[in-house]
Amino acid sequence: GAGVSQSPSNKVTEKGKDVELRCDPISGHTALYWYRQSLGQGLEFLIYFQGNSAPDKSGLPSDRFSAERTGGSVSTLTIQRTQQEDSAVYLCASSLRWGRGANVLTFGAGSRLTVL
Amino acid sequence: GDSVTQMEGPVTLSEEAFLTINCTYTATGYPSLFWYVQYPGEGLQLLLKATKADDKGSNKGFEATYRKETTSFHLEKGSVQVSDSAVYFCALSDPLQGAQKLVFGQGTRLTINP
Repeated sequence: GAGVSQSPSNKVTEKGKDVELRCDPISGHTALYWYRQSLGQGLEFLIYFQGNSAPDKSGLPSDRFSAERTGGSVSTLTIQRTQQEDSAVYLCASSLRWGRGANVLTFGAGSRLTVL
Repeated sequence: GDSVTQMEGPVTLSEEAFLTINCTYTATGYPSLFWYVQYPGEGLQLLLKATKADDKGSNKGFEATYRKETTSFHLEKGSVQVSDSAVYFCALSDPLQGAQKLVFGQGTRLTINP
């Protein structure tokens, strides 16, 4: 596609429910990233994919968070048993190049999650 | 670990004023430096970047120079416009920590009044 597409754009859920957030990267971008943007916390790195594998999951805050990527394209971020502190905007980004050197990320508009 | 510290906001200026948003970094390697901008209701967009010391990134009238001696990458614009109102993020990627991962500052909200 022309840009990074994320869905849903807004999600309101009750505490304890599971949610899935979807990211459709730019066609041909091999690297995909998830970040979280919280009030007062700035932008936190969650996980990075190269193809379908995730060499860096160091930012996932707990085992309630997981992500997968299939076909080297679409990625799903799943949050199980949501808590109020999970409320944030979840941003997905993709890039064409990886490895050493400058790495320019293209971001989606984000999925705003509100846990009541 | 690597970190980015940027000037706290919010920053409010009048149109045509001079803008500086300070950014300093800590990195174990030799990072690339970036400024991203987030306009209201939109995703983050790359504004400019620099990959080595003394490089100057520029775009849309904004400039930032990679200063290794002061570990800084301050964003400047000579004459701001209302349309520059947005949140600005300084970021780095460090090849020793995995160039794939950007480390962001907290963001600075800029409001330009007509």
